[in-house]
Amino acid sequence: TQLLEQSPQFLSIQEGENLTVYCNSSSVFSSLQWYRQEPGEGPVLLVTVVTGGEVKKLKRLTFQFGDARKDSSLHITAAQPGDTGLYLCAGSRGNKLVFGAGTILRVKS
Amino acid sequence: NAGVTQTPKFQVLKTGQSMTLQCAQDMNHEYMSWYRQDPGMGLRLIHYSVGAGITDQGEVPNGYNVSRSTTEDFPLRLLSAAPSQTSVYFCASSMLQGNGYTFGSGTRLTVV
Repeated sequence: TQLLEQSPQFLSIQEGENLTVYCNSSSVFSSLQWYRQEPGEGPVLLVTVVTGGEVKKLKRLTFQFGDARKDSSLHITAAQPGDTGLYLCAGSRGNKLVFGAGTILRVKS
Repeated sequence: NAGVTQTPKFQVLKTGQSMTLQCAQDMNHEYMSWYRQDPGMGLRLIHYSVGAGITDQGEVPNGYNVSRSTTEDFPLRLLSAAPSQTSVYFCASSMLQGNGYTFGSGTRLTVV
């Protein structure tokens, strides 16, 4: 059983569409991070959110940390083929960083 | 800065063989971790370290050993390789607990 549940597992959309990826847990995290991974490479950090209710924007990506610090969402506006990849959320609990199973995003041109 | 360097990139082992996956970082990070990535399961924590001389188990530690004699290096040892250990292994480091991690490019291990 994953401590962090991500949904959807797979998303295939057309260029220009908007999308949201969810990361949910019954546990509280001191911080939550989002990573993007491309085939054959290690994950690359996109953002860290620390405060409940926090919203961070990175160009067309908007990240939100739930008020209770148990969940998070990633919203992409006007998706582009370059956004294609595996998106992973990860929660920090004590000295451990635990990951969700990931969302595979494919953006078709 | 090289960041996090993992060697080798690819390895094939026979069942029962032992080997060490190397990980080195040049960012003076205190926190280092080893993960394995399997299809549909995300990254699972094997072992982690909060500083030189300090290591602890993660979610899936069985069959693996680690040591942290220096801040820079965090090798992962497979004691007796099994087909279930076929996976992609990632090493990662961070300056502080809760900060983002920098990942290496991975080692793809196949055990036959």
